[in-house]
Amino acid sequence: QGQLVQSGGELKKPGASVKVSCKASGYTFQNNGINWLRQAPGQGLEWMGWISAHNGDTNYDQKFRGRVTMTTDSSTSTVYMELRSLRSDDTAVYYCARVAGGYPLYPFDIWGQGTMVTVSS
Amino acid sequence: EVVMTQSPATLSVSPGERATLACRASQSVSSNLAWYQQKPGQAPRLLIYGASTRATGIPARFSGSGSGTEFTLTISSLQSEDFAVYYCQQYNNWPPYTFGQGTKLEIK
Repeated sequence: QGQLVQSGGELKKPGASVKVSCKASGYTFQNNGINWLRQAPGQGLEWMGWISAHNGDTNYDQKFRGRVTMTTDSSTSTVYMELRSLRSDDTAVYYCARVAGGYPLYPFDIWGQGTMVTVSS
Repeated sequence: EVVMTQSPATLSVSPGERATLACRASQSVSSNLAWYQQKPGQAPRLLIYGASTRATGIPARFSGSGSGTEFTLTISSLQSEDFAVYYCQQYNNWPPYTFGQGTKLEIK
C-alpha cells in the first residue's frame, strides 16, 4: 500500500535554509514521482514542485524557482526538499505526496504526515 | 494556470442529510479532477479521482460527478466523521497542479 514518513518539525530564523525529508516504504520507490506542497496556518494547499524518483527530473512552481531544491536518494528511498532564504511567510506545514502513477498526470494517493516549519527571529 | 473555485466556502449540514460541494475550473480539465478530505491536524486524504472514481477504502456514500469545468462531490448521508475540509484538485494541465480554496463542511 505504501507509506511516506517525514522528518520532524523545524524552527528557523529568517534568511536560513531548511531541509525536510520524506522516506518512502511499502512500494517500489522508483515507480512514482513525489510532490511537495505546503499549507500555511488556516490556509489551503499550495503545490511547490515535483520530482521523479526514477531519474531525479524536477519541475518547480514558478513561485519557488531559485529558492527550492528537491533531490532523491534511491539507496534509502528518501526524497528531500530544501527551501532557502526563509521568510516569515514560509511558516507552514510542508507535505510530501506520491503521484499515483508513473508520470505526473495522476492524483496524489499517499501523503506524508506533514512537517511544521516555523520561521521566526 | 488553471484556477479552481470551490463553493460554498462553508456548508452547514445536519448528520444524516446530503451534502453537495461544487468545484469549477477556469478551463477544461477533462475528467482529471480529484477530491481530498482533510481533518484538523491531518494530511489530506484522496477520496475521488478521475472525477468519479472512489479511491481505495472510500465509502460508497461519497460520489463525484462532472467533466470539463464543472464538478460536484456528494456525500449522501453525512456521518460525524465526514465533517472536515474538502479540496478539489486538477491534474490535467500540469505544471502546476492547482487546488481549490476548500469547502469547510460543518455540523448544523
